Amino acid sequence: EPEVTQTPSHQVTQMGQEVILRCVPISNHLYFYWYRQILGQKVEFLVSFYNNEISEKSEIFDDQFSVERPDGSNFTLKIRSTKLEDSAMYFCASTRTGVNYGYTFGSGTRLTVV
Amino acid sequence: GESVGLHLPTLSVQEGDNSIINCAYSNSASDYFIWYKQESGKGPQFIIDIRSNMDKRQGQRVTVLLNKTVKHLSLQIAATQPGDSAVYFCAENTGSWGKLQFGAGTQVVVTP
Repeated sequence: EPEVTQTPSHQVTQMGQEVILRCVPISNHLYFYWYRQILGQKVEFLVSFYNNEISEKSEIFDDQFSVERPDGSNFTLKIRSTKLEDSAMYFCASTRTGVNYGYTFGSGTRLTVV
Repeated sequence: GESVGLHLPTLSVQEGDNSIINCAYSNSASDYFIWYKQESGKGPQFIIDIRSNMDKRQGQRVTVLLNKTVKHLSLQIAATQPGDSAVYFCAENTGSWGKLQFGAGTQVVVTP
């Protein structure tokens, strides 16, 4: 069964440092998403990406965040200057034709900011 | 407003019994709903979905019920097994680009 792959599984970084979280969506999918989950809380939407541009973003997704699809397979989330409160699980997701078909999540990257 | 907390509601179920997990959603315009299962250290795993023009949908051992009048969604798991122990989230599609809004989650613990 096709999978969304995320690397690394765990990232520890110092406050103020830049981090890049990487995702390889399912190959024929066209819509890409990032979500985060702070420990013990619900999953929160960050951003959606379609046709090489951001289609929707949440209030959480401020100027410190950016996304990119640098080639035909990778989808990245960059946090420019990490804060302690950025510590969370970050999930990438992808779907073929929108939410109604094959909306698949990766296993996540645990980001710890110290 | 936002519900924030460190303690999930917990449903303790005996193996073999049926489980019912409830969810209240927020947006009356939402047209599509999904139930996800999340095991420790893993991403949300799709269980079953339902469109707003339906009130019931059945899968293998799972049934989702939708009551649009009171904005309520439930997941029924038949003959609960130890492998069903996980956190269960409902999610609603609130936008045209596939944005999902998740509920707070329910921890299901299956006891022998």
